[in-house]
Amino acid sequence: EAQVTQNPRYLITVTGKKLTVTCSQNMNHEYMSWYRQDPGLGLRQIYYSMNVEVTDKGDVPEGYKVSRKEKRNFPLILESPSPNQTSLYFCASRETGTKKPYEQYFGPGTRLTVT
Amino acid sequence: QQQVKQSPQSLIVQKGGISIINCAYENTAFDYFPWYQQFPGKGPALLIAIRPDVSEKKEGRFTISFNKSAKQFSLHIMDSQPGDSATYFCAASPSGYSTLTFGKGTMLLVSP
Repeated sequence: EAQVTQNPRYLITVTGKKLTVTCSQNMNHEYMSWYRQDPGLGLRQIYYSMNVEVTDKGDVPEGYKVSRKEKRNFPLILESPSPNQTSLYFCASRETGTKKPYEQYFGPGTRLTVT
Repeated sequence: QQQVKQSPQSLIVQKGGISIINCAYENTAFDYFPWYQQFPGKGPALLIAIRPDVSEKKEGRFTISFNKSAKQFSLHIMDSQPGDSATYFCAASPSGYSTLTFGKGTMLLVSP
């Protein structure tokens, strides 16, 4: 089944404790991206990657890191989480160079709470 | 700076009625305008999308109307059904589709 998977789905952590949220897709998509969703703010793009070893900042990159060493994986790293990073995080991927290069497929989300 | 403004925040429609959600954008570099549908506990999923070279696109009960001069676009859901109850997000992307900027979302409730 074509899908984007995220782990963990739920995470409660404390301020300053480094964490990684993994994202993996099995559709051979070149493009991957991370978003955060907050009530009343919609979804905001954190980082995106057009291909392996190519990453770029979205609208809200502060406090986050990403890496794209393999095509299928795009982990989100919070080196020193703070309470304002409490949010629902979504990973997404899409094809490039096809009829529908714009359709992003979203993962199920990771709910992160930082205390 | 909010680049895509969406209204209303919430909407209640009777079954069989028409749901209308509006969005406005400022950045003239935007070249692609999708709508995403999100059910509780799920990730957003693409519903329908439009490019600015057409003024309307219809897929089943869902229609996007696009007004390039006014920099506005809207989603119309005809014959709304309880199963359409979800949060709807408009979005915009520049050519090349590198980034995707979302509106704040509209929570739609279709009453039986």
